[in-house]
Amino acid sequence: EVQLVQSGGGLVQPGGSLRLSCAASGFTFSSYTMSWVRQAPGKGLEWVSAITGNGGATYHADSVKGRFTISRDNSKNTLYLQMNSLRAEDTAVYYCAKDPFYGDSWSSFDYWGQGTLVTVSS
Amino acid sequence: DIVMTQSPDSLAVSLGERATINCKSSQSVLHSSNNRNYLVWYQQKPGQPPKVLIYWASTRESGVPDRFSGSGSGTDFTLTISSLQAEDVAVYYCQQYYRTPLTFGGGTKVEI
Repeated sequence: EVQLVQSGGGLVQPGGSLRLSCAASGFTFSSYTMSWVRQAPGKGLEWVSAITGNGGATYHADSVKGRFTISRDNSKNTLYLQMNSLRAEDTAVYYCAKDPFYGDSWSSFDYWGQGTLVTVSS
Repeated sequence: DIVMTQSPDSLAVSLGERATINCKSSQSVLHSSNNRNYLVWYQQKPGQPPKVLIYWASTRESGVPDRFSGSGSGTDFTLTISSLQAEDVAVYYCQQYYRTPLTFGGGTKVEI
């Protein structure tokens, strides 16, 4: 059974940093692109960052470019999102999500983590 | 970026009645190489992550009830719930995967 279990998150002051983790099981982690998708309170979904299976290619939305860094440790089956210089507008539930297709695509998301709330406030 | 526009923002449907949600993309998401539409539909219930209902615009995900169907091609797509059940109350999103950045529609809230 595919499982994505998230940790990290919480309350952080503007300008602060936070690291999110997503522990994967039930599939060959290194063979799939993984993403972070966020959802501001009461709002829609935004694709934030993605990384291919071997970590060779990454994507960051313009809204987080230069502040967020996605990475993965395939030996630990874990995905990360390092978030620096956090702003109030980064407040959201962050989901890790798995691409359904084997290989280096970024397409849609067939499995999602439970979500973790990041609140940026003084 | 490909902009995805959903309509309506919300709709109220009686139990057993049909619900229709529209999604329009700012450019075609039909890939000529394989004649597939790179569009997926999700259902999100309160406090839960989204769940895939339909991919390739019209292929139902395994385990999804057959009252859910997707149609359309190019830039105009529809998600239909043929006979609304109480458990279908949720927000529904379309998403294109034709080109990065992957983009979502704004969501449609379905209520009884």
